[in-house]
Amino acid sequence: AQKITQTQPGMFVQEKEAVTLDCTYDTSDQSYGLFWYKQPSSGEMIFLIYQGSYDEQNATEGRYSLNFQKARKSANLVISASQLGDSAMYFCAMREGLRTGTASKLTFGTGTRLQVTL
Amino acid sequence: DAGVIQSPRHEVTEMGQEVTLRCKPISGHDYLFWYRQTMMRGLELLIYFNNNVPIDDSGMPEDRFSAKMPNASFSTLKIQPSEPRDSAVYFCASSPRARRTFGAGSRLTVL
Repeated sequence: AQKITQTQPGMFVQEKEAVTLDCTYDTSDQSYGLFWYKQPSSGEMIFLIYQGSYDEQNATEGRYSLNFQKARKSANLVISASQLGDSAMYFCAMREGLRTGTASKLTFGTGTRLQVTL
Repeated sequence: DAGVIQSPRHEVTEMGQEVTLRCKPISGHDYLFWYRQTMMRGLELLIYFNNNVPIDDSGMPEDRFSAKMPNASFSTLKIQPSEPRDSAVYFCASSPRARRTFGAGSRLTVL
């Protein structure tokens, strides 16, 4: 079974609009972390936002927020006021086994390509 | 802070040649990860180190791949002999705990 599922291979959004990129995950761990990374056409991976499974509030970082719904095992990324520079691939990722301290693997989804249009 | 530094950024080589990719993690980060990104398989974790010790290499595809971390500030990923299917972008990342910082990647093309 896929650990991280991103069902939207591509998304379009108009500049200044908000967009939600979907991410669902599968884990039996009680303690885990969820990440979003941005990969522009230049290729580097840029950390955007992190949500711990025990965090009670949704994470926010500037125009990025994470809509964390634990019961549904979803961790959607919301980008508000989209800008042309937001056009990129976006990857959701999960790290399990935080409490045990033994597992540090970061499992990535297949990504969503976001295109911001004028 | 210079971030995670990878070299070379681009490598083009012929099948059968040895390829060595290098990574300098962020100082103080005790975890180091090697990932491979391809269109077909996405981002795959190859191996990771904690305090210079390899912890999990189950993602290393074959014996042709090897990784070392002789000290806290340097790691190598070696492919010998290289094959065309090894063509990919190889990322190195380091982290103190949860959040990983990625390098810019090394794009490998094996002809």
